[in-house]
Amino acid sequence: GQNIDQPTEMTATEGAIVQINCTYQTSGFNGLFWYQQHAGEAPTFLSYNVLDGLEEKGRFSSFLSRSKGYSYLLLKELQMKDSASYLCAMPTGDFQKLVFGTGTRLLVSP
Amino acid sequence: DSGVTQTPKHLITATGQRVTLRCSPRSGDLSVYWYQQSLDQGLQFLIQYYNGEERAKGNILERFSAQQFPDLHSELNLSSLELGDSALYFCASSVEGVSGVYGYTFGSGTRLTVV
Repeated sequence: GQNIDQPTEMTATEGAIVQINCTYQTSGFNGLFWYQQHAGEAPTFLSYNVLDGLEEKGRFSSFLSRSKGYSYLLLKELQMKDSASYLCAMPTGDFQKLVFGTGTRLLVSP
Repeated sequence: DSGVTQTPKHLITATGQRVTLRCSPRSGDLSVYWYQQSLDQGLQFLIQYYNGEERAKGNILERFSAQQFPDLHSELNLSSLELGDSALYFCASSVEGVSGVYGYTFGSGTRLTVV
């Protein structure tokens, strides 16, 4: 099984940088996903990490350390539209369904 | 438009009633997943189907059932509804299992309100 932990809520200021952490415990690692979800909307894919290191994609980057069971999502040059929940998720089981953390609600203020 | 279609978008019903939520997966996707998201809660996995067959079950209540039809659309049936069943219900699809690079594609969800 898996256990995924994320902070419940974070606040940041427009233009700043914020790091959202995700720690996990798993019996088998098959990659880690980050999704963004605006209130009442569907989650949308942000990133996928399967190897250690940093993956950069525009203003968003994701980091993975498999030995530490740790990942983070880094958001740069924050914009008001980045106010959303950020979900860490991992595939599990024989048929690789995604198990999600409870998500981190990010509030960006002017 | 993600390509995954869920209907209806909103549903209001009374306790004790039964409802059916529908999901049409993205073209070419054989796997369908159902998730429940209660207010301020994470996405809870309910059930997974692949090409018409049940593949995995999460903490799905006995009052809930699902199926995937030959045309690959899926229905989630919720019966004897309780106030606590009020939630967003998401359907997601993928080719087979989780696509390593892109994960799932989610539908826009059905918001169920039980009164």
